[in-house]
Formats: sequence, structure tokens, C-alpha cells
Amino acid sequence: GAVVSQHPSWVICKSGTSVKIECRSLDFQATTMFWYRQFPKQSLMLMATSNEGSKATYEQGVEKDKFLINHASLTLSTLTVTSAHPEDSSFYICSAPVGTGNSGANVLTFGAGSRLTVL
Amino acid sequence: AQKITQTQPGMFVQEKEAVTLDCTYDTSDQSYGLFWYKQPSSGEMIFLIYQGSYDEQNATEGRYSLNFQKARKSANLVISASQLGDSAMYFCAMREGRDGGSQGNLIFGKGTKLSVKP
Repeated sequence: GAVVSQHPSWVICKSGTSVKIECRSLDFQATTMFWYRQFPKQSLMLMATSNEGSKATYEQGVEKDKFLINHASLTLSTLTVTSAHPEDSSFYICSAPVGTGNSGANVLTFGAGSRLTVL
Repeated sequence: AQKITQTQPGMFVQEKEAVTLDCTYDTSDQSYGLFWYKQPSSGEMIFLIYQGSYDEQNATEGRYSLNFQKARKSANLVISASQLGDSAMYFCAMREGRDGGSQGNLIFGKGTKLSVKP
């Protein structure tokens, strides 16, 4: 089945540094990638939607200059947390829609997630 | 107002028994899709089951079934014959859209933590 490969699975960085998270679609092309953020014991909140070859669409309240999203090809989308601070520590998870053939719905296939800890 | 409401923060079930996880939703769209995902402690999100708003029959996938009551706007997940490996967070999610809920992102509920007791 369709797989989204996400790296790194966890990262620890110092405050002020930048961290890049990659999501690759394996065996399928992802024209759209959704980036979610999940704080401990909370739900997933959509941060932004990336589309191959165009600018990402950010949700209200998400700083586009802080969370840089690039979708340069049909199989790769990246999220860069710039000048990270402790409050950016969270679980970041990407997902791509994949058709299931069931009523024509596109199921979101998720990467394994990246746990970011900013010291 | 919340789009997806999961009122059970935590649930316990005895191994081999069935359990129902509640989910209610709020939408004014006629076309939408409802999803359930499982999130083990490792963090990955695993798709379990899907129900379209126009589907007349309740969806089933192995031990998972979705009790869809459209008039009540509820989409409860039923897990039969619980196994220890079912212990995880379970999220109900909805996709709205004029295209029958077949595109776009999902809106997630707050989740229910299921613990299966041996």
C-alpha cells in the first residue's frame, strides 16, 4: 500500500536553530501534503497544506515565516522550523491523500511523525 | 463550536469483549466523510474505517464497524473481540466538502484513550 516516509522521527535541537523535516511519498505521487501538529495528549491540528509547485496555504495563527513549507516535487514535501524555540516542541506529522476505492474517498495516509524537542 | 466531539477521554475494556467509542459531529454540509484513526504510543496514525454521508449501510472493516446514525450526527466506532494490541488513542475525524468529502484535510476530535485489560 501507499506509504509516506517521514524523517527524522525525533530531533533535539538548541533554541535558535532551524530544523528540517522531510516527508516522501513512496510508490505514489502526492500533489498535496497536509502538515499537522500535535501537542501531548491533544488532537492533531492542521498547520498548512502544501501543493506541488505552488505556495503552501497556512491555517490561521500559523506563522508562515517560522514554518517554511516546500513541496518541490510530487514525492517530497519539507517543513522547516526556523529559529526554533522551546514552545515549538511538539509532534509534527505529515499526510497525503490516497484513494481507497471505497466510495471514492481519499484516505489520509500519515507519516510516522517527527518529535521535536527544543532545548 | 467543535466540529468533532469525542466525550470519552478514556475507556477500559476487557480483552475479547466489544467496546463502543463515541463520536458526534457538526456540519451543515450534505456531503461529508467520517473517518476513524488509531494512534498507538509510537505516534503513527493508522486508518481504520471510513463512512460517507450518503452510504446507506454502516461501514465494516474486520473487527471494526461504524455505527452511523445520520439524524443524530453520530459515528460511533465499535471494536469487537478486543485485543491487547488495540490499546491506543482513537481519533474520529471528518472531512467536509462539496465534492462529497472526498478531498481535503481532516478535522479531528480530541481522541479517546482505549485500554484493553487482560
